[in-house]
Amino acid sequence: DVVMTQSPLSLPVTLGQPASISCRSSQSLVYSDGNTYLNWFQQRPGQSPRRLIYKVSNRDSGVPDRFSGSGSGTDFTLKISRVEAEDVGVYYCMQGTHWPSFGQGTKVEIK
Amino acid sequence: QVQLVQSGAEVKKPGASVKVSCKASGYTFTSYDINWVRQATGQGLEWMGWMNPNSGNTGYAQKFQGRVTMTRNTSISTAYMELSSLRSEDTAVYYCAKWDIVLMVYDDWGQGTLVTVSS
Repeated sequence: DVVMTQSPLSLPVTLGQPASISCRSSQSLVYSDGNTYLNWFQQRPGQSPRRLIYKVSNRDSGVPDRFSGSGSGTDFTLKISRVEAEDVGVYYCMQGTHWPSFGQGTKVEIK
Repeated sequence: QVQLVQSGAEVKKPGASVKVSCKASGYTFTSYDINWVRQATGQGLEWMGWMNPNSGNTGYAQKFQGRVTMTRNTSISTAYMELSSLRSEDTAVYYCAKWDIVLMVYDDWGQGTLVTVSS
C-alpha cells in the first residue's frame, strides 16, 4: 500500500497570507502511461470532500486561481496564495496511481 | 448534473451488519466505477474498495476483505455497500464516490451516511 504523508497537520494562517501543504508518497506516483495521478481535495466542516486539483497541477472548474499544485515523483505541494475565510477546512492529498490512498489531512484555520 | 444520494443514518449493535445505498443520477450508471470511502469522526479518509456497475466486479482493501460486499442494481442505478461483523471502530461516515477512469480520481461524492455501532 502507498502511504501518503502530509505536513503540517495543522496550519493556522492569517487572512490574506499564503499557505503551503506538503504531501509525500512512499512510492513514486508516476504511472506506466507517464502521468502522475496526485490530487488534492478540500473538505469543509460537515461537507463531503471536493476535488480542487487533479494530476498534480490541474485546477478543477470553479476553483479559485489562488490554489495551485506542484511536484513530481513522490513530493508534492498545494499552495494557497492568499488565504480567505472560505478556505477553512481540511485538505487531503490523494493518489490514484496505485490502489487509492489519502494523506492524513491538514487542517487550515484562521489565526 | 451528477448526483449520488445515499441512504440515511443507521445505528447498529456490535456484530450486526449494515447496508448503505447510493443512488446515482445525471450520468450513465454502468459507465463509471463506484468506490466507497469512510471517515471516522475527526479522522481522515479511508478507501474501502471499488465496484464496476457494468460487470459487478469488485476489489476490496485488504483491511475489509471478508467483511465488506459491494453490489449494485442497475435497473435503479443504485450501488450498495454491506459491512458485516460490525464493531465500535466501524463508527464512521461512509461515502460513495464516482471514479473517473481517465483522471484516476473521484469526481463526485455522495453526501455521506453516518453508521454508529453501539451496544
